[in-house]
Amino acid sequence: NAGVTQTPKFQVLKTGQSMTLQCAQDMNHNSMYWYRQDPGMGLRLIYYSASEGTTDKGEVPNGYNVSRLNKREFSLRLESAAPSQTSVYFCASTNSDKSSPLHFGNGTRLTVT
Amino acid sequence: GNSVTQMEGPVTLSEEAFLTINCTYTATGYPSLFWYVQYPGEGLQLLLKATKADDKGSNKGFEATYRKETTSFHLEKGSVQVSDSAVYFCALYYNQGGKLIFGQGTELSVKP
Repeated sequence: NAGVTQTPKFQVLKTGQSMTLQCAQDMNHNSMYWYRQDPGMGLRLIYYSASEGTTDKGEVPNGYNVSRLNKREFSLRLESAAPSQTSVYFCASTNSDKSSPLHFGNGTRLTVT
Repeated sequence: GNSVTQMEGPVTLSEEAFLTINCTYTATGYPSLFWYVQYPGEGLQLLLKATKADDKGSNKGFEATYRKETTSFHLEKGSVQVSDSAVYFCALYYNQGGKLIFGQGTELSVKP
């Protein structure tokens, strides 16, 4: 029972480098989300996808792009990494019903030097 | 806009003490309310939820009641254990936009 799988678990980038964080869920969920977690700031929504083929900006989308590749996969891309993007990134998915909880991956810890 | 405010941490308690973590929200309409827990090195897990006013969510000895009149969803537990040490997040979900909004989290540390 894999749930939500994120890769990689850890990554170190230099300023200006690019990378893609991968996320896949095996629960047939419609909606998928990318959050970042920073000390004292809780979780902030970067982008979300309410259904396959749609994506929308969250609270902090600048510097990121996303792709909903299919119903299972939702990737987050940093085109030119900055130290301010040092954070822990979480992917989550749900059935889009207001009573359905989010299921989270275990996170990707990204450091940009 | 919609928002969630939690009491600041860290909260440090002795084992078997009573726990309250305050959560208040601002929202239009009738959101659903959630408490999530994050253990060290892990993602968030659902702890409990309430989908309408006066509902009480409960799980693992934790409880929270959806109070529309005070726009609150405070988390309580009668007797905490060391294993309850974690970060707790209050969150609300509103249909318009289909997004889950989180509070800033409250770290709980329980000492033996």
